[in-house]
Parts: sequence; structure tokens; C-alpha cells
Amino acid sequence: NAGVTQTPKFQVLKTGQSMTLQCAQDMNHNSMYWYRQDPGMGLRLIYYSASEGTTDKGEVPNGYNVSRLNKREFSLRLESAAPSQTSVYFCASSAISGSSAGNTIYFGEGSWLTVV
Amino acid sequence: DAKTTQPPSMDCAEGRAANLPCNHSTISGNEYVYWYRQIHSQGPQYIIHGLKNNETNEMASLIITEDRKSSTLILPHATLRDTAVYYCIVNGATNKLIFGTGTLLAVQP
Repeated sequence: NAGVTQTPKFQVLKTGQSMTLQCAQDMNHNSMYWYRQDPGMGLRLIYYSASEGTTDKGEVPNGYNVSRLNKREFSLRLESAAPSQTSVYFCASSAISGSSAGNTIYFGEGSWLTVV
Repeated sequence: DAKTTQPPSMDCAEGRAANLPCNHSTISGNEYVYWYRQIHSQGPQYIIHGLKNNETNEMASLIITEDRKSSTLILPHATLRDTAVYYCIVNGATNKLIFGTGTLLAVQP
């Protein structure tokens, strides 16, 4: 049982390049999330998907797009990377959609992205 | 979702109880209190959550005041491996868990 798996773990991009961060969960969870964490800061929510086929903006969605490909997979795309997007990106999932009870979130190990 | 306020850092001696406070004075009736921790640069790890009653599991205890405006996470016997950033989050019937800056707990030998 792998939980939440993110790829790649490390990536260096040049300004203006595009890339997609992949995320998959094997817990049959309904909801999935993408967060970013800048050095010395807390996590900030980029986008989330309450259920398959739906996506919603979080706190810092600008410069990103997401796709909920199926129940297992939720990808994050940077169309034109900027140095301000240098960060650690965490994917996460939770079982319950639209209810706070037991809405425990499980996180992946992170993807370190540097934009030069 | 209600905001939370936590001290930026705390120290605790190894083997002693660590008591981490959190203020959430604007919490509404259907919002739960969650605690997560992040060790170094790993993905955050769920610890415990509660609504009104105090809760205990194998990792920690959660004490919520009667008016629900604040809570305390208790690690009964802190070890060096408990050194981490601890996040207190309140969340209602949405999927938007918003993390603040948390409390850096440093367990001292």
C-alpha cells in the first residue's frame, strides 16, 4: 500500500518551460489536493478536487492548472514556469468529500521544484 | 473556515509532556479541530482531531475548551523524534484545509 505517490521528486526548470507534476493515490479516496510550501513557510493550498470530475481553486491558484484524470490521479501543471514557483509541492488525498467528520488528509513525500 | 493562532516556537525537555496551544476564537459549530505535524521536509502527518469532546489516541491527546475557542495538543512523553512543526487547523464541511505557519516544537535532550 503506497498511499500517495508523487513524481518527480526533484525537477529543475528554466523560466518559461512547462511541466506536469503527477500524483496518484491507492486508498480509493474521493478528494485530492495540491499544496505548495516555500522555505520556512506553512503549506498553501493551490487547487483541490472534492470528487472525480470536479476541481476548485485554493489560496494560490494563479499560474497553475489541474486535472483530475480519474479517481486515483490528480495532476498539477505549470504552463510557463516562473522563479516565484520554486517550492516544494505536496499532493494529498482524503476519503470524505463535503464532510468535516473524519476528513483526515494523507500527504505524499513532496516534489522539489526549482525554476531558474 | 476559521483562522487559528499558534505560538511560532516552543521548547520541551525530552520525556516531559509537550503542551501545544491553539486559539480558534471564530470557530463555528460544525468545524472540527485538526492537528498535523511536519518533520523536517517530509509530508505532513495526521495526529488527531476533535469536535467538542477531548480525544486521545496512540500519538497524543486533544483538549478542547468548553467554548471551543481554543485547544491544546498534548504529547505525553516527548522524544527527540517529536521535534517538528505542529499545525492546528479548523475545518467545516469543505475540503479546503488551510494550514497556518504552525508551532516549531524543539525537544531538548
